[in-house]
Amino acid sequence: KAGVTQTPRYLIKTRGQQVTLSCSPISGHRSVSWYQQTPGQGLQFLFEYFSETQRNKGNFPGRFSGRQFSNSRSEMNVSTLELGDSALYLCASSLHGFGPEKLFFGSGTQLSVL
Amino acid sequence: GQQVMQIPQYQHVQEGEDFTTYCNSSTTLSNIQWYKQRPGGHPVFLIQLVKSGEVKKQKRLTFQFGEAKKNSSLHITATQTTDVGTYFCAGFRDDKIIFGKGTRLHILP
Repeated sequence: KAGVTQTPRYLIKTRGQQVTLSCSPISGHRSVSWYQQTPGQGLQFLFEYFSETQRNKGNFPGRFSGRQFSNSRSEMNVSTLELGDSALYLCASSLHGFGPEKLFFGSGTQLSVL
Repeated sequence: GQQVMQIPQYQHVQEGEDFTTYCNSSTTLSNIQWYKQRPGGHPVFLIQLVKSGEVKKQKRLTFQFGEAKKNSSLHITATQTTDVGTYFCAGFRDDKIIFGKGTRLHILP
């Protein structure tokens, strides 16, 4: 089975731009969650989608949004980029849900905002 | 708000020495998971603990969940160079996940 795939691997953007990141979960997994990882704050939960519905959301501003498609693939969008948005963005998938199941992480998208 | 504190932040050990990292939550958790992230890699699931006082072992790794389900530890016996990486705990409560900031383990040969 293929693992969780994230594209692109690296991105460089400038302040004020917007960016869309993509995540393809393991085949059959219906839950996709997104995380921001920075050296200072560590791993922080952004949101979780299950069957195209956002079920859980972390404490991030509305500039961070996402969606999930019928094939369980998910996208995350960040609008009006700020320097502090530079981070490794990870997505993870699980079979049924979020919490009782182990998470399978993708390799991440490294976003640099200049 | 809910927090999960993880200590130490860094740990340098000689190969063959033991290593322990601790996580403490400000609130009772439903369950806790542990992940390992190699340098330049992504987090990989190690174990999940659900029951109060639970202890699980994986070869040289021992995981514990406290009686109050507020703290957890990971102990590695006789570290090897392959143990290098950052170890994270992830606490779950009310459909939220809170990660500890991780303990970065360095092994000195």
